[in-house]
Amino acid sequence: GAGVSQSPRYKVAKRGQDVALRCDPISGHVSLFWYQQALGQGPEFLTYFQNEAQLDKSGLPSDRFFAERPEGSVSTLKIQRTQQEDSAVYLCASSVQVPDTQYFGPGTRLTVL
Amino acid sequence: TQLLEQSPQFLSIQEGENLTVYCNSSSVFSSLQWYRQEPGEGPVLLVTVVTGGEVKKLKRLTFQFGDARKDSSLHITAAQPGDTGLYLCAGLYNNNDMRFGAGTRLTVKP
Repeated sequence: GAGVSQSPRYKVAKRGQDVALRCDPISGHVSLFWYQQALGQGPEFLTYFQNEAQLDKSGLPSDRFFAERPEGSVSTLKIQRTQQEDSAVYLCASSVQVPDTQYFGPGTRLTVL
Repeated sequence: TQLLEQSPQFLSIQEGENLTVYCNSSSVFSSLQWYRQEPGEGPVLLVTVVTGGEVKKLKRLTFQFGDARKDSSLHITAAQPGDTGLYLCAGLYNNNDMRFGAGTRLTVKP
């Protein structure tokens, strides 16, 4: 595809459920980023991959959050035992390298009831 | 916690008016970017400024980077309804650490 795609676009989870959010970056982009955007706020950095290596996970809010990119392309952000405060839009971005332009996907809106 | 402060938070104006929005921080950035985000979409890059004092123009949009590389402004001339959206600034601290402001939500009424 031409851009970054994310799925699902919307996810509703009951508190305590596990969720998995998928990101398909632009083909050939080495760097991949995950951000969390709460309502009325700007995106906040969660984690960064270069190829399959997770080089920075300092933004992950708790050990319930886990991200992987096993083959250096598609990435999955997993949230275990979801809590209401996890409700947000989760954005994925990719770039050719760092610090090149980051291209964002449309996001996954997660609502935890 | 947003390390970049954007003001105003909300702005509603009539078509044809001019406006300026601001992005301020106490930190120095290697570069600063402005994005526009529409509902249900991810942010789209408008411009990157790198040099202190730099001014870039994109049609009716003028971007300025402060001399000390801590602040920036976005000026829109003769705003149009199509300019409506959330304008985000983001500062790059190092190669992969990009911090966003909370954004200015602009509404341009016809």
